Amino acid sequence: DTAVSQTPKYLVTQMGNDKSIKCEQNLGHDTMYWYKQDSKKFLKIMFSYNNKELIINETVPNRFSPKSPDKAHLNLHINSLELGDSAVYFCASSHTLESYNSPLHFGNGTRLTVT
Amino acid sequence: QQQVKQSPQSLIVQKGGISIINCAYENTAFDYFPWYQQFPGKGPALLIAIRPDVSEKKEGRFTISFNKSAKQFSLHIMDSQPGDSATYFCAASRYQGAQKLVFGQGTRLTINP
Repeated sequence: DTAVSQTPKYLVTQMGNDKSIKCEQNLGHDTMYWYKQDSKKFLKIMFSYNNKELIINETVPNRFSPKSPDKAHLNLHINSLELGDSAVYFCASSHTLESYNSPLHFGNGTRLTVT
Repeated sequence: QQQVKQSPQSLIVQKGGISIINCAYENTAFDYFPWYQQFPGKGPALLIAIRPDVSEKKEGRFTISFNKSAKQFSLHIMDSQPGDSATYFCAASRYQGAQKLVFGQGTRLTINP
């Protein structure tokens, strides 16, 4: 299936731990994103990479670090996890074209719970 | 600062009725206005999108109405079906090497059979 896939789907961990979320897309896109959806379902962009280069870096704690080994993968590493990091994290991808011609394709999310 | 405001937060419509969700934006530099549909446990999926040089776009039962002077746009779902029950998000962006979508707060739509 062509898609944006994220692993794991669920992640439960304790405060202070370090964790990673992996994302892969096989749509041939060259831009990838991380979005955070909070408990009220509000979606906010965190990062965007274009062909392994960081393009968008929102005001996110530096405990969050994206890593893009190639244009089909964008992983999210989170250090020293805090309770407030609990959320659903979505990976997305698109072509490097003007927005109208390249909509974002989202993965199904990783629900992170910090206890 | 919430750049895209969406209302209502929740909406209940009878099957066959018209569902209307409204959004207002602040940044006049936005040049792309998509609507996303999200089912529980899934990621948002593009439903329909419009550019600001067009006042209306229709795809099947879904229509976006866009009012540039008022900085408002809305989604109309005609002949609403139970399968349309989902959370709907409006968004806006200005392309800057990548799409920085700014989302509204979401509307939970329930279509009663």
